[in-house]
Amino acid sequence: DGGITQSPKYLFRKEGQNVTLSCEQNLNHDAMYWYRQDPGQGLRLIYYSQIVNDFQKGDIAEGYSVSREKKESFPLTVTSAQKNPTAFYLCASRRDRVGEAFFGQGTRLTVV
Amino acid sequence: DAKTTQPTSMDCAEGRAANLPCNHSTISGNEYVYWYRQIHSQGPQYIIHGLKNNETNEMASLIITEDRKSSTLILPHATLRDTAVYYCIVRGTTGANSKLTFGKGITLSVRP
Repeated sequence: DGGITQSPKYLFRKEGQNVTLSCEQNLNHDAMYWYRQDPGQGLRLIYYSQIVNDFQKGDIAEGYSVSREKKESFPLTVTSAQKNPTAFYLCASRRDRVGEAFFGQGTRLTVV
Repeated sequence: DAKTTQPTSMDCAEGRAANLPCNHSTISGNEYVYWYRQIHSQGPQYIIHGLKNNETNEMASLIITEDRKSSTLILPHATLRDTAVYYCIVRGTTGANSKLTFGKGITLSVRP
């Protein structure tokens, strides 16, 4: 089935460790996004990529890094520099300039 | 910052129409209005979008005022499964203006 897949659904890490969240899509979409959501809050944009090998910082990029080596994949690394990494992370993709975005089911990261 | 303002919450009775308002007084001529919803702990789901004209699909109707400064999402026959947070988003089609920026949304509670 076509769609956008995030894995794993739940992730636990020790403080000070880097962790990479996976996001894969088989929709042939050019644009991909990473969002963070804290309890009771809306989504905040971390990074986005409109084309392969190119990406831009969103509103809260500090402490995160991304790569876009393939159209299908947009992994997010949460580094030890991110002060409050525990959150719900959502990945999305979009076909074109006007089309709707499709979201994955999210990864809930807990850092202890 | 989000370009839209929405009430924090509202409720409606099951089977009745739910009318969700959104203000976007600074919208530009080439910016679209999008609606998404998020059911607890899931990824957001696209509902509908429009530029100037009213739009309707199998999920909802979108009514945009003639001056485009506000819009209303209409769920014609709300069910308990429509209980969710609904996000109204204004987005352009080029560059940084094309990113999806979420506000806090409006929490719709459908009561039996």
